[in-house]
Amino acid sequence: GESVGLHLPTLSVQEGDNSIINCAYSNSASDYFIWYKQESGKGPQFIIDIRSNMDKRQGQRVTVLLNKTVKHLSLQIAATQPGDSAVYFCAEKDTGRRALTFGSGTRLQVQP
Amino acid sequence: DAGVIQSPRHEVTEMGQEVTLRCKPISGHNSLFWYRQTMMRGLELLIYFNNNVPIDDSGMPEDRFSAKMPNASFSTLKIQPSEPRDSAVYFCASSGQWGNSPLHFGNGTRLTVT
Repeated sequence: GESVGLHLPTLSVQEGDNSIINCAYSNSASDYFIWYKQESGKGPQFIIDIRSNMDKRQGQRVTVLLNKTVKHLSLQIAATQPGDSAVYFCAEKDTGRRALTFGSGTRLQVQP
Repeated sequence: DAGVIQSPRHEVTEMGQEVTLRCKPISGHNSLFWYRQTMMRGLELLIYFNNNVPIDDSGMPEDRFSAKMPNASFSTLKIQPSEPRDSAVYFCASSGQWGNSPLHFGNGTRLTVT
């Protein structure tokens, strides 16, 4: 799969720093949110998910924060590594529906 | 677990030709999704199936596009006739049965229509 777009917002960080990628959504009926990572030539890869009854969830080196009041989702990556360089997508699911709606993506570049 | 398997990985065809993309979902998953990714429009849902039945095909761009799921382990997306604007990466994804569960994507088919 190709990386999305030449005009993606890009976040450039130094190796070892923490990264924060943000996403805004508009659908008040969304009840499930996921972050995906897409590397060049590959499909989106699941990172972490969160349900609407939670506001924070932690994984290995990653944390997702959900603020339903302002319809905002963020992905925090601790101690960012060169292998984290990729395009990151947030996705949301409407109540009662199985399909995900994807955001436009953010490119993360990790400088060694 | 082999993950979602798509074939072919690359397809180059001439305008007007028929194109068939194939997908094998993860065993035990009962929902299957076809997405298209382009630079201009990002990831767009085309159609999804639940228990082999099409549930929402509102994303299928035109009648030239059709999708089938004859059994739980196989789905096809067909474009006939193909046009240059159909050039994109087409992804298949599957998800499990219970409530909210993440979609697992294949590595896509890169389609180029000349």
